Amino acid sequence: DAKTTQPPSMDCAEGRAANLPCNHSTISGNEYVYWYRQIHSQGPQYIIHGLKNNETNEMASLIITEDRKSSTLILPHATLRDTAVYYCIVRSSSGGSYIPTFGRGTSLIVHP
Amino acid sequence: GAGVSQSPRYKVAKRGQDVALRCDPISGHVSLFWYQQALGQGPEFLTYFQNEAQLDKSGLPSDRFFAERPEGSVSTLKIQRTQQEDSAVYLCASSSGTGEKLFFGSGTQLSVL
Repeated sequence: DAKTTQPPSMDCAEGRAANLPCNHSTISGNEYVYWYRQIHSQGPQYIIHGLKNNETNEMASLIITEDRKSSTLILPHATLRDTAVYYCIVRSSSGGSYIPTFGRGTSLIVHP
Repeated sequence: GAGVSQSPRYKVAKRGQDVALRCDPISGHVSLFWYQQALGQGPEFLTYFQNEAQLDKSGLPSDRFFAERPEGSVSTLKIQRTQQEDSAVYLCASSSGTGEKLFFGSGTQLSVL
């Protein structure tokens, strides 16, 4: 199973872009990269996912390098409500089923 | 329902007591996951159901932990003879497929005294 590495913490000024990196150098060709975030006292919330192409939705953009060994989640205009722990995970397989495996994530603090 | 519902939201148990945690997944979701989250850590996988079948229980920490989903909808995680190290937030998630986008509940915070 591919593992991910993320910085333990980051901070960002409100209104600026937050760029959260993730390293997944052992990812295999058919594994997707998923991002979730967890706001205090809530369960994780899905943000975005991708395979090899860059992706964008109403929440964020996902940039995956050409060799797929790393990716960056971009929050284009961070707000105070974006303060959360962000998890980058690779969808692994176990007996035909996919068990998302979370690490410790990156704690993002958005300050005024 | 609109989302994944878990109950109770908080549970305080005396050491040695049995507890049962309930998860109501999103209607029609075939996959259901249980995770355990200790303070300051990421969610740790416990077990996975596809409909009523428990396909993976490799994350259950001991035989005191038992999960079921008898009709392929509501699931219950039972912990027998609770210990202090069982104190954590227990998260339930469901998905329409086999592990694609997961929808999480708010969790049950279990405190064992």
